[in-house]
Amino acid sequence: TQLLEQSPQFLSIQEGENLTVYCNSSSVFSSLQWYRQEPGEGPVLLVTVVTGGEVKKLKRLTFQFGDARKDSSLHITAAQPGDTGLYLCAGGKSGYSTLTFGKGTMLLVSP
Amino acid sequence: DSGVTQTPKHLITATGQRVTLRCSPRSGDLSVYWYQQSLDQGLQFLIQYYNGEERAKGNILERFSAQQFPDLHSELNLSSLELGDSALYFCASSVGFGGGQETQYFGPGTRLLVL
Repeated sequence: TQLLEQSPQFLSIQEGENLTVYCNSSSVFSSLQWYRQEPGEGPVLLVTVVTGGEVKKLKRLTFQFGDARKDSSLHITAAQPGDTGLYLCAGGKSGYSTLTFGKGTMLLVSP
Repeated sequence: DSGVTQTPKHLITATGQRVTLRCSPRSGDLSVYWYQQSLDQGLQFLIQYYNGEERAKGNILERFSAQQFPDLHSELNLSSLELGDSALYFCASSVGFGGGQETQYFGPGTRLLVL
């Protein structure tokens, strides 16, 4: 059972377009992290959100944690080829030291 | 560069064999995590060690084992290998016990191919 469902699984867009990827669960998480993984490398943390309804911005990336802390979204404005990669969400629960990862959204941004 | 090192980068072996993957965490990090990544299952947590002690166990097969040494480096041992064990194996480290608010720093991974 995949506790965190990410959609879409794959997204191919042109440079300059906007996009949103989603991370959904039926479980409540105390925190939600987003990672980006480039080919041949390990995932790299982009952001951590911990409060329901929280919105964080990282340059052209906007992350939102759902009010009920069951879902999250990542919006990219004016995508660039350097944004290409696998975007993973990971949920954390109070009292647990580990994370549950979604399967990821593979983003390809073409020039 | 995350500061986490993993060796070897690539490993090709045959079914039934045993291999050892090595990980050195970032300086000062006490927790080490092992993950398996495949196309169909995604990134699956295997096991976590904190300061030499096993802290959490995930979907780790009985054929797999791990340990963390006094110098905090860790090894993941995979035995009686099967074709389905072919995957990317990542090691990550963090400063403390772990949890959803700690940053995990991932190594570059070991790509294992079982023929």
